[in-house]
Amino acid sequence: AQKVTQAQTEISVVEKEDVTLDCVYETRDTTYYLFWYKQPPSGELVFLIRRNSFDEQNEISGRYSWNFQKSTSSFNFTITASQVVDSAVYFCALSGNNAGNMLTFGGGTRLMVKP
Amino acid sequence: ETGVTQSPTHLIKTRGQQVTLRCSSQSGHNTVSWYQQALGQGPQFIFQYYREEENGRGNFPPRFSGLQFPNYSSELNVNALELDDSALYLCASNDEPGQPYEQYFGPGTRLTVT
Repeated sequence: AQKVTQAQTEISVVEKEDVTLDCVYETRDTTYYLFWYKQPPSGELVFLIRRNSFDEQNEISGRYSWNFQKSTSSFNFTITASQVVDSAVYFCALSGNNAGNMLTFGGGTRLMVKP
Repeated sequence: ETGVTQSPTHLIKTRGQQVTLRCSSQSGHNTVSWYQQALGQGPQFIFQYYREEENGRGNFPPRFSGLQFPNYSSELNVNALELDDSALYLCASNDEPGQPYEQYFGPGTRLTVT
């Protein structure tokens, strides 16, 4: 069985602060894929990143960066210099090798960035 | 822009009724997945259709059923609605079921069962 845990249900920061969203996963698959999605109030899930289990390189995209550590089964997401527009619910998700692209989502972290 | 659309946006139904939700996938995408997202929770996989056949199913009872059509549209049908069926229903499309590429999600249909 696959499981994704986002222990932080809600985080509140002041604009320009850095913030890290934690994600811990469980899977028995040797090949798997990890994702982060953003869900603004409109409800649509916006894809942010996909990472496969063989690629542990950290990735940076503008103010966003991701830290994948297989040894601790974690795939954390950091927003640098947060902005009000970053306010949303963020979901970490996992897709196993034999699951097609069925996604197992974590419970989400609500990020509130105050001006 | 993802190109995935869903209708209706909001829907209110009474317990015991039946409901049909619709999704139009991005052009060229022959795989569609449906997810249920209860308030304050992450989406849960309902089922997936590939080339008009069910290609995988999550832990949902048979009263949740689907259809996929050749024109990239699909439906989610729920019979004998229960109060716990109140949720945001999301559809997502992508090219091939075996490829775990990013799925493109629609804006969702919010279903309220009273």
